[in-house]
Amino acid sequence: DAGVIQSPRHEVTEMGQEVTLRCKPISGHDYLFWYRQTMMRGLELLIYFNNNVPIDDSGMPEDRFSAKMPNASFSTLKIQPSEPRDSAVYFCASSHGLAGGPGETQYFGPGTRLLVL
Amino acid sequence: ILNVEQSPQSLHVQEGDSTNFTCSFPSSNFYALHWYRWETAKSPEALFVMTLNGDEKKKGRISATLNTKEGYSYLYIKGSQPEDSATYLCALDSSYKLIFGSGTRLLVRP
Repeated sequence: DAGVIQSPRHEVTEMGQEVTLRCKPISGHDYLFWYRQTMMRGLELLIYFNNNVPIDDSGMPEDRFSAKMPNASFSTLKIQPSEPRDSAVYFCASSHGLAGGPGETQYFGPGTRLLVL
Repeated sequence: ILNVEQSPQSLHVQEGDSTNFTCSFPSSNFYALHWYRWETAKSPEALFVMTLNGDEKKKGRISATLNTKEGYSYLYIKGSQPEDSATYLCALDSSYKLIFGSGTRLLVRP
């Protein structure tokens, strides 16, 4: 398996522009997670999906951020409009959760390094 | 708010030294404790998932222990090698939400 795939790997954009980050989870995994990594806050969970349904989006910083999972093999994280403080590395991760069973390993993608000028 | 603390923040050791780091977490709402190894410019790589008090896991020269009653986990590296240089993250699994510590950055000098 190719692992979790993210694109683009790097994105440089100007303030006010829309940014779309993409993720393909590992086939068969039914949980998908979006994380953001910054120097100030470390690695923090933004949102996660189970069977394509958003379960907890309490980590999404504000309305400018939205995430979708139209099918089991694809998810997007969109920032509109982007701001310089959104500059960070955004990771996608997936796991195969057993019914009612936490403790499953989350497998991380390579991340998208976003710079908003 | 659940807080996961890791210490030390950074550690420099000589090749061949053994070392250990600590992860502290609130023992309430505990489901599992994850350890990850994170090299610069790469994605975090899963090392261990531990769920039971007293759990011990081992992978080569790296091992980990878990004490859920007092809320801590130790990660040990025996005979550190330069390729062990990375940031080691622990994460509290509170029902699918992973709450990460800030990590321990390890540098192993040849």
